[in-house]
Amino acid sequence: DGGITQSPKYLFRKEGQNVTLSCEQNLNHDAMYWYRQDPGQGLRLIYYSQIVNDFQKGDIAEGYSVSREKKESFPLTVTSAQKNPTAFYLCASSIGRGNNEQFFGPGTRLTVL
Amino acid sequence: DAKTTQPPSMDCAEGRAANLPCNHSTISGNEYVYWYRQIHSQGPQYIIHGLKNNETNEMASLIITEDRKSSTLILPHATLRDTAVYYCIVRVVGTSGTYKYIFGTGTRLKVLA
Repeated sequence: DGGITQSPKYLFRKEGQNVTLSCEQNLNHDAMYWYRQDPGQGLRLIYYSQIVNDFQKGDIAEGYSVSREKKESFPLTVTSAQKNPTAFYLCASSIGRGNNEQFFGPGTRLTVL
Repeated sequence: DAKTTQPPSMDCAEGRAANLPCNHSTISGNEYVYWYRQIHSQGPQYIIHGLKNNETNEMASLIITEDRKSSTLILPHATLRDTAVYYCIVRVVGTSGTYKYIFGTGTRLKVLA
């Protein structure tokens, strides 16, 4: 099946630890995105990547880092510098430039204890 | 960046049309309006998008006012499975030409039996 996978569904970490969230897609999409969602709120863009080895900061990039070494993978690291990391994290991809919708993964709920 | 304003919640009787309004008064001429919906704790699902003409697909219709300052998503025959949070989104051009979505807080639609 083609699609976007995020793992794990639920993730728990101790405060002060870095944690990496996985996002993989087999849709052959060029662009990939990471969003954060807090309870009762819309999605906010963290980072996005148009092509391999290139990415740009979104609206709330502080405390996060990404890499795009492969077209199909766009992992997000939540660092200890992120003040309030507990949230629902969503990954998305799209064909790229042009009038194309984004396809979203199922999300990872991160809880920092 | 353009922002959207939606009512926080709406109810609709099963089998009736659901009309979800959205204001985007600061939208620019080349910015599209997208609609997604999100069922609790899942990734958002694409519904429809448009620029200035009305659009229809198998899921919904999108009516955009002539001045483009507002739009309405219409679910013609709402079912219980349409209960979700509906997001009206403006797609803007970010750095390096990549498109990015600006999410609002959405409308929580509850379809009543």
